[in-house]
Amino acid sequence: GNSVTQMEGPVTLSEEAFLTINCTYTATGYPSLFWYVQYPGEGLQLLLKATKADDKGSNKGFEATYRKETTSFHLEKGSVQVSDSAVYFCALSNAGGTSYGKLTFGQGTILTVHP
Amino acid sequence: DTGVSQNPRHKITKRGQNVTFRCDPISEHNRLYWYRQTLGQGPEFLTYFQNEAQLEKSRLLSDRFSAERPKGSFSTLEIQRTEQGDSAMYLCASSFGRGVGDEQFFGPGTRLTVL
Repeated sequence: GNSVTQMEGPVTLSEEAFLTINCTYTATGYPSLFWYVQYPGEGLQLLLKATKADDKGSNKGFEATYRKETTSFHLEKGSVQVSDSAVYFCALSNAGGTSYGKLTFGQGTILTVHP
Repeated sequence: DTGVSQNPRHKITKRGQNVTFRCDPISEHNRLYWYRQTLGQGPEFLTYFQNEAQLEKSRLLSDRFSAERPKGSFSTLEIQRTEQGDSAMYLCASSFGRGVGDEQFFGPGTRLTVL
């Protein structure tokens, strides 16, 4: 079946530090890959996505590249801000079978950025 | 605000009672999903509707759970004879489209506590 594994957390960084959150996946077919973010007190919202191999998703200074050869979709940001403190979820949506676009999520990574 | 709404936001009930949650998706969205999220974990898929048809149910959805989406508009999720293990955040999401790369928009969730 489909699965998503995120790096163990939580992650604590100082403002302007470089961020990497690792994400690897197992899936049949050709999944679409997503990063969702949950800010404190808010609902899940899409941060970025990539729908085919070698695509790069980007938004708000965050980037992730769909690497089929390593089945990975690592999230990066060159300089984090305090406002980036949130929980980040890697997810996939499978193209095969009758998945109808349902999302399979990783366990989430808590990011805390200090001034 | 035209986002996904869920009611109630919080529900405390005693074991053995029945509860019902409501989700109002974004207008015109043909797809509606229910997920369940427990503390420290990512959301897990429960069930999916395309318009009014329930097309997929997770094995997590026992016989005590039932969901409906009459007329393809709002949806309800009912849990009968609640158990303490049902305590979780129940999330609703909606999307428009036919592909697996479509963005899902999430509601704020209903937090269920079973005493």
